[in-house]
Amino acid sequence: AQRVTQPEKLLSVFKGAPVELKCNYSYSGSPELFWYVQYSRQRLQLLLRHISRESIKGFTADLNKGETSFHLKKPFAQEEDSAMYYCALSEWGTSYGKLTFGQGTILTVHP
Amino acid sequence: DGGITQSPKYLFRKEGQNVTLSCEQNLNHDAMYWYRQDPGQGLRLIYYSQIVNDFQKGDIAEGYSVSREKKESFPLTVTSAQKNPTAFYLCASSIRPSNMNTEAFFGQGTRLTVV
Repeated sequence: AQRVTQPEKLLSVFKGAPVELKCNYSYSGSPELFWYVQYSRQRLQLLLRHISRESIKGFTADLNKGETSFHLKKPFAQEEDSAMYYCALSEWGTSYGKLTFGQGTILTVHP
Repeated sequence: DGGITQSPKYLFRKEGQNVTLSCEQNLNHDAMYWYRQDPGQGLRLIYYSQIVNDFQKGDIAEGYSVSREKKESFPLTVTSAQKNPTAFYLCASSIRPSNMNTEAFFGQGTRLTVV
Protein backbone atom coordinates (compact mmCIF):
# COMPACT_ATOMS: atom_id res chain seq x y z
CA ALA A 1 0.00 0.00 0.00
CA GLN A 2 1.16 3.50 -0.69
CA ARG A 3 2.18 5.86 2.08
CA VAL A 4 3.10 9.54 2.23
CA THR A 5 5.14 10.99 5.08
CA GLN A 6 5.61 14.63 5.95
CA PRO A 7 8.02 14.61 8.88
CA GLU A 8 7.42 18.19 10.02
CA LYS A 9 4.06 19.09 11.55
CA LEU A 10 5.14 22.70 12.02
CA LEU A 11 7.66 24.80 10.13
CA SER A 12 8.49 28.42 10.91
CA VAL A 13 10.66 30.74 8.85
CA PHE A 14 11.18 34.46 8.49
CA LYS A 15 10.09 36.41 5.44
CA GLY A 16 12.71 36.25 2.72
CA ALA A 17 14.27 33.03 4.01
CA PRO A 18 14.32 29.84 1.94
CA VAL A 19 11.78 27.20 2.84
CA GLU A 20 11.64 23.47 2.18
CA LEU A 21 8.72 21.26 3.10
CA LYS A 22 9.69 17.63 3.09
CA CYS A 23 7.68 14.80 1.61
CA ASN A 24 8.66 11.15 1.29
CA TYR A 25 6.58 8.41 -0.18
CA SER A 26 6.49 4.66 -0.49
CA TYR A 27 4.79 3.10 -3.46
CA SER A 28 5.70 0.09 -5.53
CA GLY A 29 4.38 1.46 -8.81
CA SER A 30 4.82 4.72 -10.69
CA PRO A 31 3.33 7.50 -8.62
CA GLU A 32 1.87 10.85 -9.45
CA LEU A 33 2.77 13.40 -6.78
CA PHE A 34 0.98 16.59 -5.83
CA TRP A 35 1.17 19.41 -3.34
CA TYR A 36 -2.13 20.78 -2.05
CA VAL A 37 -2.43 23.91 0.08
CA GLN A 38 -5.06 25.20 2.46
CA TYR A 39 -4.92 28.89 3.33
CA SER A 40 -6.80 30.18 6.35
CA ARG A 41 -10.56 30.01 5.78
CA GLN A 42 -10.13 28.76 2.23
CA ARG A 43 -10.67 25.45 0.53
CA LEU A 44 -7.98 22.90 0.01
CA GLN A 45 -6.59 23.51 -3.47
CA LEU A 46 -3.94 22.16 -5.79
CA LEU A 47 -0.62 23.99 -5.65
CA LEU A 48 1.40 21.96 -8.12
CA ARG A 49 1.89 18.49 -9.57
CA HIS A 50 5.10 16.86 -10.59
CA ILE A 51 4.08 15.97 -14.15
CA SER A 52 3.64 19.64 -14.98
CA ARG A 53 7.14 20.61 -13.84
CA GLU A 54 5.83 24.08 -13.15
CA SER A 55 6.55 26.79 -10.63
CA ILE A 56 3.51 28.14 -8.85
CA LYS A 57 3.74 31.17 -6.56
CA GLY A 58 7.50 30.68 -6.59
CA PHE A 59 7.26 27.10 -5.33
CA THR A 60 8.88 24.16 -7.09
CA ALA A 61 9.02 20.47 -6.33
CA ASP A 62 11.16 17.80 -7.94
CA LEU A 63 10.34 14.14 -7.88
CA ASN A 64 13.37 12.14 -6.79
CA LYS A 65 12.55 8.52 -7.43
CA GLY A 66 15.85 7.33 -5.99
CA GLU A 67 15.14 8.96 -2.65
CA THR A 68 11.36 8.61 -3.03
CA SER A 69 10.94 12.25 -2.19
CA PHE A 70 8.96 15.20 -3.48
CA HIS A 71 10.09 18.15 -1.39
CA LEU A 72 8.47 21.55 -1.89
CA LYS A 73 10.85 24.50 -2.07
CA LYS A 74 10.74 28.25 -2.32
CA PRO A 75 13.86 30.44 -2.27
CA PHE A 76 12.28 33.46 -0.59
CA ALA A 77 9.25 32.88 1.63
CA GLN A 78 6.48 35.45 1.88
CA GLU A 79 3.98 36.01 4.68
CA GLU A 80 1.13 35.02 2.38
CA ASP A 81 2.70 31.56 2.07
CA SER A 82 1.57 30.77 5.62
CA ALA A 83 -0.82 27.83 5.28
CA MET A 84 -1.25 24.10 5.72
CA TYR A 85 0.53 22.09 3.02
CA TYR A 86 -0.28 18.52 2.10
CA CYS A 87 1.77 16.23 -0.06
CA ALA A 88 -0.35 13.67 -1.89
CA LEU A 89 0.13 10.66 -4.11
CA SER A 90 -2.05 9.10 -6.76
CA GLU A 91 -1.55 5.82 -8.54
CA TRP A 92 -0.58 5.99 -12.19
CA GLY A 93 -3.48 5.51 -14.57
CA THR A 94 -6.19 5.60 -11.95
CA SER A 95 -8.52 8.19 -10.59
CA TYR A 96 -6.44 11.26 -9.98
CA GLY A 97 -8.65 12.55 -7.23
CA LYS A 98 -8.14 9.31 -5.32
CA LEU A 99 -5.29 10.58 -3.25
CA THR A 100 -3.18 9.36 -0.39
CA PHE A 101 -2.24 12.34 1.75
CA GLY A 102 0.57 13.01 4.14
CA GLN A 103 -0.13 14.33 7.61
CA GLY A 104 0.35 17.92 6.55
CA THR A 105 2.80 20.67 7.49
CA ILE A 106 1.72 24.02 8.89
CA LEU A 107 4.02 26.68 7.49
CA THR A 108 4.26 29.99 9.30
CA VAL A 109 6.20 32.83 7.74
CA HIS A 110 7.05 35.56 10.21
CA PRO A 111 7.51 39.21 9.16
CA ASP B 1 -20.98 30.21 -9.24
CA GLY B 2 -19.42 26.84 -10.11
CA GLY B 3 -17.96 24.56 -7.54
CA ILE B 4 -18.60 22.03 -4.83
CA THR B 5 -21.08 22.75 -2.10
CA GLN B 6 -21.13 20.88 1.16
CA SER B 7 -23.90 21.28 3.67
CA PRO B 8 -24.32 21.86 6.46
CA LYS B 9 -21.12 23.55 7.57
CA TYR B 10 -21.57 22.36 11.16
CA LEU B 11 -23.52 19.32 12.26
CA PHE B 12 -24.24 17.93 15.67
CA ARG B 13 -25.41 14.39 16.20
CA LYS B 14 -26.44 12.37 19.18
CA GLU B 15 -24.78 9.03 19.72
CA GLY B 16 -26.65 6.22 18.02
CA GLN B 17 -28.09 8.38 15.26
CA ASN B 18 -27.34 8.23 11.56
CA VAL B 19 -26.62 11.51 9.82
CA THR B 20 -26.22 12.41 6.15
CA LEU B 21 -23.75 14.96 4.80
CA SER B 22 -24.59 16.59 1.51
CA CYS B 23 -22.16 17.18 -1.37
CA GLU B 24 -23.25 18.74 -4.65
CA GLN B 25 -21.13 19.82 -7.61
CA ASN B 26 -22.02 21.75 -10.75
CA LEU B 27 -18.65 21.25 -12.46
CA ASN B 28 -19.88 18.31 -14.55
CA HIS B 29 -17.19 16.16 -12.96
CA ASP B 30 -17.32 12.40 -13.34
CA ALA B 31 -15.59 11.42 -10.12
CA MET B 32 -16.41 12.34 -6.54
CA TYR B 33 -14.71 11.54 -3.25
CA TRP B 34 -15.18 11.75 0.50
CA TYR B 35 -12.27 12.34 2.82
CA ARG B 36 -12.04 12.56 6.56
CA GLN B 37 -9.62 15.03 8.12
CA ASP B 38 -8.33 14.51 11.65
CA PRO B 39 -5.63 16.55 13.38
CA GLY B 40 -2.20 15.05 12.80
CA GLN B 41 -3.47 12.41 10.39
CA GLY B 42 -3.99 14.30 7.19
CA LEU B 43 -6.88 13.31 4.96
CA ARG B 44 -8.06 9.73 4.62
CA LEU B 45 -10.29 8.43 1.84
CA ILE B 46 -13.68 7.09 2.91
CA TYR B 47 -15.47 6.35 -0.39
CA TYR B 48 -15.15 7.37 -4.00
CA SER B 49 -17.23 7.16 -7.14
CA GLN B 50 -15.92 7.36 -10.69
CA ILE B 51 -19.29 7.13 -12.40
CA VAL B 52 -22.97 7.37 -11.58
CA ASN B 53 -24.43 4.32 -9.83
CA ASP B 54 -21.01 3.00 -8.92
CA PHE B 55 -18.74 3.59 -5.92
CA GLN B 56 -15.85 1.93 -4.12
CA LYS B 57 -14.63 1.79 -0.56
CA GLY B 58 -11.64 3.82 0.42
CA ASP B 59 -9.27 3.20 3.30
CA ILE B 60 -11.71 3.85 6.15
CA ALA B 61 -15.17 2.94 4.85
CA GLU B 62 -16.39 1.11 7.94
CA GLY B 63 -19.37 2.85 9.51
CA TYR B 64 -20.07 4.95 6.42
CA SER B 65 -22.32 4.57 3.39
CA VAL B 66 -22.76 6.53 0.16
CA SER B 67 -24.92 6.68 -2.94
CA ARG B 68 -24.37 8.13 -6.40
CA GLU B 69 -27.75 8.32 -8.07
CA LYS B 70 -26.96 11.56 -9.87
CA LYS B 71 -23.74 12.86 -11.35
CA GLU B 72 -24.01 16.05 -9.31
CA SER B 73 -24.59 14.50 -5.91
CA PHE B 74 -22.62 12.19 -3.61
CA PRO B 75 -24.12 12.15 -0.11
CA LEU B 76 -22.31 10.50 2.77
CA THR B 77 -24.17 8.82 5.63
CA VAL B 78 -22.35 8.44 8.91
CA THR B 79 -24.01 5.53 10.65
CA SER B 80 -24.19 4.63 14.30
CA ALA B 81 -21.64 1.91 13.56
CA GLN B 82 -18.90 4.51 13.08
CA LYS B 83 -17.10 4.43 16.40
CA ASN B 84 -15.43 7.82 16.26
CA PRO B 85 -17.43 10.02 13.90
CA THR B 86 -16.41 13.43 15.25
CA ALA B 87 -14.24 14.88 12.48
CA PHE B 88 -14.02 17.29 9.58
CA TYR B 89 -15.37 15.81 6.34
CA LEU B 90 -14.26 16.97 2.91
CA CYS B 91 -15.91 16.20 -0.39
CA ALA B 92 -13.99 16.49 -3.66
CA SER B 93 -14.52 15.94 -7.35
CA SER B 94 -12.38 15.57 -10.45
CA ILE B 95 -13.31 15.89 -14.09
CA ARG B 96 -12.23 12.56 -15.46
CA PRO B 97 -10.54 9.81 -13.51
CA SER B 98 -7.92 8.82 -16.07
CA ASN B 99 -6.87 12.29 -17.12
CA MET B 100 -3.42 13.06 -15.76
CA ASN B 101 -3.98 16.78 -16.00
CA THR B 102 -6.99 16.71 -13.76
CA GLU B 103 -7.00 17.88 -10.21
CA ALA B 104 -9.27 17.34 -7.27
CA PHE B 105 -11.52 20.25 -6.33
CA PHE B 106 -12.61 20.38 -2.73
CA GLY B 107 -15.64 21.63 -0.89
CA GLN B 108 -15.40 23.76 2.21
CA GLY B 109 -16.13 20.85 4.50
CA THR B 110 -18.60 19.80 7.16
CA ARG B 111 -17.58 19.59 10.79
CA LEU B 112 -19.47 16.80 12.50
CA THR B 113 -19.61 16.62 16.27
CA VAL B 114 -21.19 13.79 18.21
CA VAL B 115 -22.70 14.94 21.48
